[in-house]
Amino acid sequence: NAGVTQTPKFRILKIGQSMTLQCTQDMNHNYMYWYRQDPGMGLKLIYYSVGAGITDKGEVPNGYNVSRSTTEDFPLRLELAAPSQTSVYFCASSYRSGATDGYTFGSGTRLTVV
Amino acid sequence: GQQLNQSPQSMFIQEGEDVSMNCTSSSIFNTWLWYKQEPGEGPVLLIALYKAGELTSNGRLTAQFGITRKDSFLNISASIPSDVGIYFCAGLNYGGSQGNLIFGKGTKLSVKP
Repeated sequence: NAGVTQTPKFRILKIGQSMTLQCTQDMNHNYMYWYRQDPGMGLKLIYYSVGAGITDKGEVPNGYNVSRSTTEDFPLRLELAAPSQTSVYFCASSYRSGATDGYTFGSGTRLTVV
Repeated sequence: GQQLNQSPQSMFIQEGEDVSMNCTSSSIFNTWLWYKQEPGEGPVLLIALYKAGELTSNGRLTAQFGITRKDSFLNISASIPSDVGIYFCAGLNYGGSQGNLIFGKGTKLSVKP
């Protein structure tokens, strides 16, 4: 199994540009999450989804959008990139709510907005 | 929102030494998790704790779920160079957002051979 796959691994955007961070999982997990990780700040939840067609905001959703049209895919969209969105973004998935079986994380997308 | 205080922020130790790090919170958690993140990778689950007082080992790693449910610690015995990375604690309160883990800010571990 590939687990959670994120693309691209690195990206540099100019202020005001848009992009989509891709996330795919092949474990048939119902729950998927997007986190951002800033240096020394741990991980902050941006958006999450409990199943296809259902998404909800996390702690830091401003400036982002998500969709969940299939169980496998959970793309994160940045419409108007800002320097404050420079971060490392991690997608994760889990079989069910709660952390009883842990989250599986992708290897991250490092985004720089200049 | 809920916050986890993880300490120390960083550690520089000699190979073979034991390591101890902990997480505290003002809120009660029902589950505590410990993750390790290596450079350029996502966090990987090391140990999960589900009951107050629970003590769980995974090789040289031992973690405990505090009796008050507001803290947890992770010990690494006889450290080796491959233990290098950032260790995160994470807590889950079932009363919060579905599936929302709260993460500590991490402990960066450096091991000198």
